[in-house]
Amino acid sequence: DTEVTQTPKHLVMGMTNKKSLKCEQHMGHRAMYWYKQKAKKPPELMFVYSYEKLSINESVPSRFSPECPNSSLLNLHLHALQPEDSALYLCASSPGPNTEAFFGQGTRLTVV
Amino acid sequence: KQEVTQIPAALSVPEGENLVLNCSFTDSAIYNLQWFRQDPGKGLTSLLLIQSSQREQTSGRLNASLDKSSGRSTLYIAASQPGDSATYLCAKGFQKLVFGTGTRLLVSP
Repeated sequence: DTEVTQTPKHLVMGMTNKKSLKCEQHMGHRAMYWYKQKAKKPPELMFVYSYEKLSINESVPSRFSPECPNSSLLNLHLHALQPEDSALYLCASSPGPNTEAFFGQGTRLTVV
Repeated sequence: KQEVTQIPAALSVPEGENLVLNCSFTDSAIYNLQWFRQDPGKGLTSLLLIQSSQREQTSGRLNASLDKSSGRSTLYIAASQPGDSATYLCAKGFQKLVFGTGTRLLVSP
């Protein structure tokens, strides 16, 4: 199993809503990542979890809150988002911090 | 700030051609280099990883090379097929990947 599974695939939310994105992998990888990709732009790193601890936060606004409940699961909690936060949110995992990264299919988020 | 540039931005070729995609960086620090493909609206598929101590990797019709002294990587695709049509992204780094601007490839039957 070389899959990183993200749910939901699509999400539309209002600016006052609270929602969560979920990412799961069963490859035994110990590093997990959230990236954000705007239309026609390359992905940009948001957060890195290494061995279930937050190791990198790329100065992401607090309306995005990551959580790593266990080594297989990564969540991104969303609250009071702005329309400019609409993007493709990509989750990735790797065996360790400096190894090959595998990406999920992404969650297409639209904030209205 | 690290910058990763990919040339060309777009490429259209007939089926069967061999082609080269280029990726260049502004610094020569130690790093891994990974190539991905992305289909429209989809996630990224890892193609090849060149670790910091390596110069080249091959997988099927794909060959990627890394020249850290010049800050360049190339992805060679042999005998291109319509199914190769996608955006190709290079990414540099270790724990944090910095992505290039991408090359949109269209292979016509």
